[in-house]
Amino acid sequence: EEQLLESGGGLVQPGGSLRLSCATSAFTVTNYAMTWVRQAPGKGLQWVSAISGGAGVTYYADSVKGRFTISRDISKSTVYLQMNSLRAEDTAIYYCAKRYYDDGGAFDIWGQGTLVTISS
Amino acid sequence: EVVMTQSPATLSVSPGERATLSCRASQSIKRNLAWYQQKPGQAPRLLIYDVSTRATGIPASFSGSGSGTEFTLTINSLQSEDFAVYYCQQYNNWPLTFGGGTKVEI
Repeated sequence: EEQLLESGGGLVQPGGSLRLSCATSAFTVTNYAMTWVRQAPGKGLQWVSAISGGAGVTYYADSVKGRFTISRDISKSTVYLQMNSLRAEDTAIYYCAKRYYDDGGAFDIWGQGTLVTISS
Repeated sequence: EVVMTQSPATLSVSPGERATLSCRASQSIKRNLAWYQQKPGQAPRLLIYDVSTRATGIPASFSGSGSGTEFTLTINSLQSEDFAVYYCQQYNNWPLTFGGGTKVEI
């Protein structure tokens, strides 16, 4: 069964950094695109970043471009989201999701999410 | 950016009735549209992709339709477990965008 498990969330001061991890199981990360989606408290879903399967091409929402970096370790079957220069508005549950195809498609598998809180 | 607009924001339905949820895209997204269900405290779950294809394990009471810029999710004979928030999402253009959600309540 394909599964995703996020970790790395926590409380960080504004301007700080955090690295989220998404451990995958039962599929090969180079065969599918992976993505991060966040949800601020009481709000809707916001796409954050994605990485394609084969070529590893990366994409970012404008709100995080230049501050967040998505990457992967194929040997560990893990996808990461490095978050720098964090702001209060980055506070959210961060979900990792698998896409249907190498570079596209809907998000068919989701992790349970990890909470990131930015506060002094 | 493709703006996804969902209506209504809240839909009050009785168990056993049909719910019809709408989603409008600000420009054509072809058939690159998905619907997700989210219950309190849970991650979203994929219901429908490519406008009308049900994801694995999704009952036939859920159906999707539309094309271009207008899309609909229909839930027939609502069960207690169907009361949740539903989001549409386009994956035709970067950045990927979600609608604001429709809460289906009793």
